[in-house]
Amino acid sequence: EADIYQTPRYLVIGTGKKITLECSQTMGHDKMYWYQQDPGMELHLIHYSYGVNSTEKGDLSSESTVSRIRTEHFPLTLESARPSHTSQYLCASSFQGGAGDHYGYTFGSGTRLTVV
Amino acid sequence: QKEVEQNSGPLSVPEGAIASLNCTYSDRGSQSFFWYRQYSGKSPELIMFIYSNGDKEDGRFTAQLNKASQYVSLLIRDSQPSDSATYLCAVNSGYSTLTFGKGTMLLVSP
Repeated sequence: EADIYQTPRYLVIGTGKKITLECSQTMGHDKMYWYQQDPGMELHLIHYSYGVNSTEKGDLSSESTVSRIRTEHFPLTLESARPSHTSQYLCASSFQGGAGDHYGYTFGSGTRLTVV
Repeated sequence: QKEVEQNSGPLSVPEGAIASLNCTYSDRGSQSFFWYRQYSGKSPELIMFIYSNGDKEDGRFTAQLNKASQYVSLLIRDSQPSDSATYLCAVNSGYSTLTFGKGTMLLVSP
């Protein structure tokens, strides 16, 4: 049973609209991430957060922004959607042990965005 | 630029055979290694992680790590058609983010 939730699952929206993709987790994980994945392609990190009030840009240049006001919530906003933003957006969270051991990500179900 | 390389496949094996999936990574300082399975149209799910050189077994899955050769592999014994998916190798180099390979598609035929 997934403890990380993304909404909406599917979204079709017109060019120029502002959209927010929601991501929430109930595991108390400090670290959260947004990845973009086109069909059959690799995952690209677009934003991540180490905790409340912490946000960092990833490797993929993106016109999106994120916020982390609460531990459990990490929304992604596109101010002006374009057809090039059509993709699957995956949210993930992770726990890191006291010795720095990484236990991997838990992914949400994803949001498939189509901009027309 | 940290890189994780995987053969894109598809790797085709008959039901009941052993599937061997391979991954190499460029950052010699990498510390943690992960295998994810991703079914078409779904999000990745964690299968195994490994930190130390050698083998780690979990049911039908065995992860193998050789840090000197910068090589990670995943063996799937008694492959089933339900194992048909794309397998992603991911590497952590001391920060919280993971670097993913492009994935290897596995096809298990009945």
